[in-house]
Amino acid sequence: ETGVTQTPRHLVMGMTNKKSLKCEQHLGHNAMYWYKQSAKKPLELMFVYSLEERVENNSVPSRFSPECPNSSHLFLHLHTLQPEDSALYLCASSSHTADTQYFGPGTRLTVL
Amino acid sequence: KQEVTQIPAALSVPEGENLVLNCSFTDSAIYNLQWFRQDPGKGLTSLLLIQSSQREQTSGRLNASLDKSSGRSTLYIAASQPGDSATYLCAVIGSYIPTFGRGTSLIVHP
Repeated sequence: ETGVTQTPRHLVMGMTNKKSLKCEQHLGHNAMYWYKQSAKKPLELMFVYSLEERVENNSVPSRFSPECPNSSHLFLHLHTLQPEDSALYLCASSSHTADTQYFGPGTRLTVL
Repeated sequence: KQEVTQIPAALSVPEGENLVLNCSFTDSAIYNLQWFRQDPGKGLTSLLLIQSSQREQTSGRLNASLDKSSGRSTLYIAASQPGDSATYLCAVIGSYIPTFGRGTSLIVHP
């Protein structure tokens, strides 16, 4: 266990659905990240939050909407997704940006 | 834009061999470099982090080196075991932005 949990672990949704992914860290870290991992592509950074402020939005489509209500929780709100958005979505945290990152187990998302 | 390349893409070796995994990056302006391990369908586990001012880090059978000026890092695995089978990812950390390579898929067979 890394101290970073993600729910749900698996999610199947239609293109018109709205769902949210949740990440929680129990490490007292100040930075949190969302990544997308697709088959045969490098891990892609989506969003970075430091002290609950978004510091990087890596050109992600607006159908992905992050929320960081406090330093322990991070959400990724999903709406009108496309089949190509099917991937493993990973959350990570670190004590500060540029420090060692600790990853959660991921949410396997399938968009039908 | 930072680009990270990992060679080889895949490796299959018998148990007991010493291994070298390679990572190269295009922009040497980095804070640190981190090596991860990922088992199938799971998240990443941090193995070693090398600060930009450091040359190497060691943990058990693992040793990672960093040559920032040439844009290279190597992960050395001594006396490989079947339990080392996984994908090994290199991440270069710039200002807020981690950039990952595609990974090296390692299989160690008994």
